[in-house]
Amino acid sequence: NAGVTQTPKFQVLKTGQSMTLQCAQDMNHNSMYWYRQDPGMGLRLIYYSASEGTTDKGEVPNGYNVSRLNKREFSLRLESAAPSQTSVYFCAILARDKINTEAFFGQGTRLTVV
Amino acid sequence: KQEVTQIPAALSVPEGENLVLNCSFTDSAIYNLQWFRQDPGKGLTSLLLIQSSQREQTSGRLNASLDKSSGRSTLYIAASQPGDSATYLCAVNGGATNKLIFGTGTLLAVQP
Repeated sequence: NAGVTQTPKFQVLKTGQSMTLQCAQDMNHNSMYWYRQDPGMGLRLIYYSASEGTTDKGEVPNGYNVSRLNKREFSLRLESAAPSQTSVYFCAILARDKINTEAFFGQGTRLTVV
Repeated sequence: KQEVTQIPAALSVPEGENLVLNCSFTDSAIYNLQWFRQDPGKGLTSLLLIQSSQREQTSGRLNASLDKSSGRSTLYIAASQPGDSATYLCAVNGGATNKLIFGTGTLLAVQP
């Protein structure tokens, strides 16, 4: 979706390798999220950030770290990748105005850990 | 803990049929509910957003309803088309924490 950009789109890692998934938004909103999507399990929240400088754990935070360097960027790091982390990862923002709060998603990162 | 369930998990219909997708949630203290569409290998596209104070929202052939007290939402698709084939996901926003909790989705196939 326009406004939320994820990189890379695809990645293959060997077990034990590390990598950082990047997410950037140009919509100037405070709340940013990282989800993973697995077959039959829907989207599960890994970490979220309500504002610059704050981060909180979601449903499945183990094995991940995050960093909210500024309002625009929210990165997800795998320090030592495991095959169980093979998934599609989505970054999202929650856009708030006076009336609505609506979620917008990036196009996803397909990660395979072998 | 909020749990979101979508029924059915998969649905196949002939072109032209009207259909209903269901979403239920266990905690009625929601801020809003959002329906998304996801095409294979793609991201999520927002279809409709219903605030907790609203009963329904319409966009073209799509109509979403919300009954917060019973913890239910439905997505009605009129005159279905093969291009409607996708996975449809609902998500509730719990408000205070601004966490979006998703259902597991309904995979829709519209046969020409």
